[in-house]
Amino acid sequence: QKEVEQDPGPLSVPEGAIVSLNCTYSNSAFQYFMWYRQYSRKGPELLMYTYSSGNKEDGRFTAQVDKSSKYISLFIRDSQPSDSATYLCAMSTSGGSNYKLTFGKGTLLTVNP
Amino acid sequence: NAGVTQTPKFRILKIGQSMTLQCTQDMNHNYMYWYRQDPGMGLKLIYYSVGAGITDKGEVPNGYNVSRSTTEDFPLRLELAAPSQTSVYFCASSSPPGGLADTQYFGPGTRLTVL
Repeated sequence: QKEVEQDPGPLSVPEGAIVSLNCTYSNSAFQYFMWYRQYSRKGPELLMYTYSSGNKEDGRFTAQVDKSSKYISLFIRDSQPSDSATYLCAMSTSGGSNYKLTFGKGTLLTVNP
Repeated sequence: NAGVTQTPKFRILKIGQSMTLQCTQDMNHNYMYWYRQDPGMGLKLIYYSVGAGITDKGEVPNGYNVSRSTTEDFPLRLELAAPSQTSVYFCASSSPPGGLADTQYFGPGTRLTVL
């Protein structure tokens, strides 16, 4: 079983739709969870950062972590064509002293106008 | 403030050639990383560094070498290029003062093709 599993998609939705992106993981030591957004032919950029279980909201984006199920999600409300990108989940066992991230393979999202 | 910069943006190599991918950051980050990204395969860590003079292997180090003589620069060396090294290479840095080391900032990438 891979440490981090992410459905590669592709996922295509109409503008205004609610998008749900997910990752599962097997390492129960993961505590820090991130979502990166990567536009075509660009480097990844940090979108959301959460610690342990719970929800975090930032504008149209909500990140959820369920450590009991080893499952994380990113929700995008009122999706826009500018949200079209690859979304990568990433996680690590601790901040500060352990800095190595484990990435999912990424989900390609297209939002159609 | 340019962030993380990488050169070149594109390169085609012949099998057996050597090259150095350059990476520079101006954020005074201690930690720097090199990843490769193959289509549909996510990001794989090649090497990382926690400060000048300190480097260590990541998940896929074979065929690569690194050095870190300054805080700002972290070049990646390919000695004998092979077709399996065709990929997009990303450099990243982390650890802003007072921040958490896991927040990594990525450069724009170098697209390398080995023929």
